[in-house]
Amino acid sequence: KAGVTQTPRYLIKTRGQQVTLSCSPISGHRSVSWYQQTPGQGLQFLFEYFSETQRNKGNFPGRFSGRQFSNSRSEMNVSTLELGDSALYLCASSLKIGVSGANVLTFGAGSRLTVL
Amino acid sequence: SQQGEEDPQALSIQEGENATMNCSYKTSINNLQWYRQNSGRGLVHLILIRSNEREKHSGRLRVTLDTSKKSSSLLITASRAADTASYFCATPIRQGGSEKLVFGKGTKLTVNP
Repeated sequence: KAGVTQTPRYLIKTRGQQVTLSCSPISGHRSVSWYQQTPGQGLQFLFEYFSETQRNKGNFPGRFSGRQFSNSRSEMNVSTLELGDSALYLCASSLKIGVSGANVLTFGAGSRLTVL
Repeated sequence: SQQGEEDPQALSIQEGENATMNCSYKTSINNLQWYRQNSGRGLVHLILIRSNEREKHSGRLRVTLDTSKKSSSLLITASRAADTASYFCATPIRQGGSEKLVFGKGTKLTVNP
């Protein structure tokens, strides 16, 4: 079956612009999580969506937002871009059933954002 | 704050040697996972060990878990150049009625041919 698909793979923006990244999860997966990866901070959790609802959120400013559609596809948006937003943004989906089940993530290849 | 911390940060070995990476975490967990990331790509799940397990094997991978010390280790036996990658441990954290996976900063493994 198809894996997690992220688009675009690479993009370059300038400070102050906004960006939207897209993630299509594995068919049947209803949970989608987003992570930001930078050399200095490592993998930082952004948020998780399940059935179109944000269930969890990391410590990021309000410029970072996301949503999930009825087909489980998810988007994240970063407004008023800053140089420090340059990172690899990773999306992961999982077949999460309740909070007692183990949450194994399947990642996409990521979207590499460069802010100039 | 990081939940899991891997040690060492970087490891360079020769093909055929074993590679051991360690992970320490802070809070009680019900499972711990290891992931691998090839340069600039997404992470791939390797193995999950539950809190009631002490050791688990998968091919050339061996994972141990010591809940009393809040630590885990990943052993890759008979390493190959293709094992060159970064390896991360991940632990679940309960937050707001849900759960998120928190990753350490990883161990960068280089296997020289």
